[in-house]
Amino acid sequence: QQQVKQSPQSLIVQKGGISIINCAYENTAFDYFPWYQQFPGKGPALLIAIRPDVSEKKEGRFTISFNKSAKQFSLHIMDSQPGDSATYFCAASMLRRGAQKLVFGQGTRLTINP
Amino acid sequence: DARVTQTPRHKVTEMGQEVTMRCQPILGHNTVFWYRQTMMQGLELLAYFRNRAPLDDSGMPKDRFSAEMPDATLATLKIQPSEPRDSAVYFCASGLGEGWEQYFGPGTRLTVT
Repeated sequence: QQQVKQSPQSLIVQKGGISIINCAYENTAFDYFPWYQQFPGKGPALLIAIRPDVSEKKEGRFTISFNKSAKQFSLHIMDSQPGDSATYFCAASMLRRGAQKLVFGQGTRLTINP
Repeated sequence: DARVTQTPRHKVTEMGQEVTMRCQPILGHNTVFWYRQTMMQGLELLAYFRNRAPLDDSGMPKDRFSAEMPDATLATLKIQPSEPRDSAVYFCASGLGEGWEQYFGPGTRLTVT
């Protein structure tokens, strides 16, 4: 019930295309859904996040779509660029003992071909 | 600019040795998290603190791992004795308040031979 399932495991997209990564969760106690981007040798960096009372959030080329009834959310990267090549992690969190406890998906390795 | 710092960045040690990893959270952040990343298990939350008080360490192997915050600018994760299965990248993250936005450090890559 604590798991967050992420797909696909890897994704190759042509430059200028749309990259789509999907996640699903079971626990309805989750109340915050961030996406993190990680480059090799670096720590994950917060990219964009959404709360379950909103169905979509857009920041630049990055959009989260959230379907509360289906318990699914996805990241869309528009006009994908080679610099977007990285590993992307979805996550879900809930407040536990005074702090947000994050559960991460397994990650998607995204490659943007020039 | 404000960043989480971690030391050492790389550590190679022999099985049975003690390992201590250090983290300096972003100045002013009062919530600190420790994560472990492996290919098999992905990113796992080990423990977290708020205002230096431990909140939850249920993600840590209790018998060999310990986490502390001696002061507001230093968090430590200790493994004693270390085992080959502890080989992983250990990340520290910090945030404000409940830690909605968590800022990760560059990690400590630990190899136990």
